[in-house]
Amino acid sequence: SQQGEEDPQALSIQEGENATMNCSYKTSINNLQWYRQNSGRGLVHLILIRSNEREKHSGRLRVTLDTSKKSSSLLITASRAADTASYFCATVRGSTLGRLYFGRGTQLTVWP
Amino acid sequence: GAVVSQHPSRVICKSGTSVKIECRSLDFQATTMFWYRQFPKKSLMLMATSNEGSKATYEQGVEKDKFLINHASLTLSTLTVTSAHPEDSSFYICSARPRTENVISEKLFFGSGTQLSVL
Repeated sequence: SQQGEEDPQALSIQEGENATMNCSYKTSINNLQWYRQNSGRGLVHLILIRSNEREKHSGRLRVTLDTSKKSSSLLITASRAADTASYFCATVRGSTLGRLYFGRGTQLTVWP
Repeated sequence: GAVVSQHPSRVICKSGTSVKIECRSLDFQATTMFWYRQFPKKSLMLMATSNEGSKATYEQGVEKDKFLINHASLTLSTLTVTSAHPEDSSFYICSARPRTENVISEKLFFGSGTQLSVL
């Protein structure tokens, strides 16, 4: 990828369980964003965390950021079958309005 | 929310032909649009940044004569794959960053993608 790696590459869980995905990046960042992609479709923005923030919540989503380790995690609580998708982290370098570079993504499958 | 329309959603063409993909911001202005390429089960690779009224900025390794980008207005950017070959087969996605009252969004809104298959 142009930026970093997500792990695991694939995650399979049952409905109701929590799903945790990790993301590592290579360069200093301005902010880090998580996106979701359903198969063969465009991406949808989920949540943004700035470089001076450590944790952020949005509904069932919880994102953490550790700039010293250049890593982030996305936690989806009480997962649903509808959460099945690919999840990507993306970083903005330099300027806040700079280009967005994506990690490899995690394919999440939630079984009913 | 902001809507980005991308057409066509799927195109099949013969080797050697050119294919144009359109990306439109339907309810907002976008001075900057981005074009990505995605291989199956892979990440999105940023190809170029499309700037309204000026030349596109290409990422390293992306052939600008192969992938022509035109950003003719604040709501339309086009990507033309010239003289397409089978190795150009891929999923192409555009995105845009809305600007409202001179405030530019930090997050991107994506089109639904174009699956290009070159025979």
